[in-house]
Amino acid sequence: GQNIDQPTEMTATEGAIVQINCTYQTSGFNGLFWYQQHAGEAPTFLSYNVLDGLEEKGRFSSFLSRSKGYSYLLLKELQMKDSASYLCAVSYNFNKFYFGSGTKLNVKP
Amino acid sequence: DGGITQSPKYLFRKEGQNVTLSCEQNLNHDAMYWYRQDPGQGLRLIYYSQIVNDFQKGDIAEGYSVSREKKESFPLTVTSAQKNPTAFYLCASSIDNRGWNTEAFFGQGTRLTVV
Repeated sequence: GQNIDQPTEMTATEGAIVQINCTYQTSGFNGLFWYQQHAGEAPTFLSYNVLDGLEEKGRFSSFLSRSKGYSYLLLKELQMKDSASYLCAVSYNFNKFYFGSGTKLNVKP
Repeated sequence: DGGITQSPKYLFRKEGQNVTLSCEQNLNHDAMYWYRQDPGQGLRLIYYSQIVNDFQKGDIAEGYSVSREKKESFPLTVTSAQKNPTAFYLCASSIDNRGWNTEAFFGQGTRLTVV
């Protein structure tokens, strides 16, 4: 729902930096979340953006542009354990969370 | 410890049978959600509830039913009308249905298989 788009899969090398993009429909937007999900497990919260700009949390940063309906998740100093799916989720009208299909990140040695 | 609990973790069902998935939270959250996830795909919203005794359909509500008789509980029934019920089901809750910081916390999921 709400046309939340992310790349299906990405591959990066251990120690490198990777950027995962997300675009979404802007009408009714309240906030944007990034979740990490390892195979067969529940998603875990990574970051939250409600205002434009960059939010930094250790190796992970998330950026938001509300006017463009665009966000990205930046992962630095990649580790093998970062291999997972990364889900972009958007809160609309204060009562629903919609998720993108997720980006599967493969980290190689 | 506060958290959100789903049970059972694995569930097998015969075709034509209804089955109920449990979701309980002791976080005092107002809003609760049910999502379905198919292999290699994202989460799709089935039902959500913002307050006790009220719930709304999500994008794929057909073949499912819910109730919200207590704030801490939001069970999902998968009925025989659901044509393809085999999936990973995730329950989530959020603290406030109107605040800024409304991240959703997830249970560990129930993997339902129809045999």
